[in-house]
Amino acid sequence: QKEVEQNSGPLSVPEGAIASLNCTYSDRVSQSFFWYRQYSGKSPELIMSIYSNGDKEDGRFTAQLNKASQYVSLLIRDSQPSDSATYLCAGGQDSNYQLIWGAGTKLIIKP
Amino acid sequence: GAGVSQTPSNKVTEKGKYVELRCDPISGHTALYWYRQSLGQGPEFLIYFQGTGAADDSGLPNDRFFAVRPEGSVSTLKIQRTERGDSAVYLCASSLRGNTEAFFGQGTRLTVV
Repeated sequence: QKEVEQNSGPLSVPEGAIASLNCTYSDRVSQSFFWYRQYSGKSPELIMSIYSNGDKEDGRFTAQLNKASQYVSLLIRDSQPSDSATYLCAGGQDSNYQLIWGAGTKLIIKP
Repeated sequence: GAGVSQTPSNKVTEKGKYVELRCDPISGHTALYWYRQSLGQGPEFLIYFQGTGAADDSGLPNDRFFAVRPEGSVSTLKIQRTERGDSAVYLCASSLRGNTEAFFGQGTRLTVV
């Protein structure tokens, strides 16, 4: 099992709908969790960070963390074509400060 | 500066040559990371600095790769005897401290021909 797993997609969502992106992680990853957005040919851009169980909302984005089930998700409400990108999940570790990365989920918002 | 700055943005070099990639982190950020990313993959960890010291260099693929951060700010990633397999985008990120939000530079696209 990879330490941080994401479905590579592509995930296709109609414009205006809710996009749901999921990430599962192993025992080695237990600290902070981050969602990054990466457009093709660009570097990752931080969208959300979440450190404790529950939901965290920021505009159209909601991050959800469930430590018991070892998953973290990102919901994008009112999806726009400009949300089309690869979304990367990353988690921190207890043992050191290295972030562990998933391979990313490609999201396509169809007009 | 306002964000993480990486230079050059693109570098084409011949196989066997030496290259240096520079990263200027956000002012005040003590943690600095180097990653390498190939197409369709997530960032691959190379090395992490806390201040001037390399806290974790376990991701460096071999002894051709070396990185320094002599004054705890700017970092340079050095690659000796480059190989075609070294071609990738090299990303630098900084954060206030470890395990907190990291911000990326625009990357350096290295092409070894």
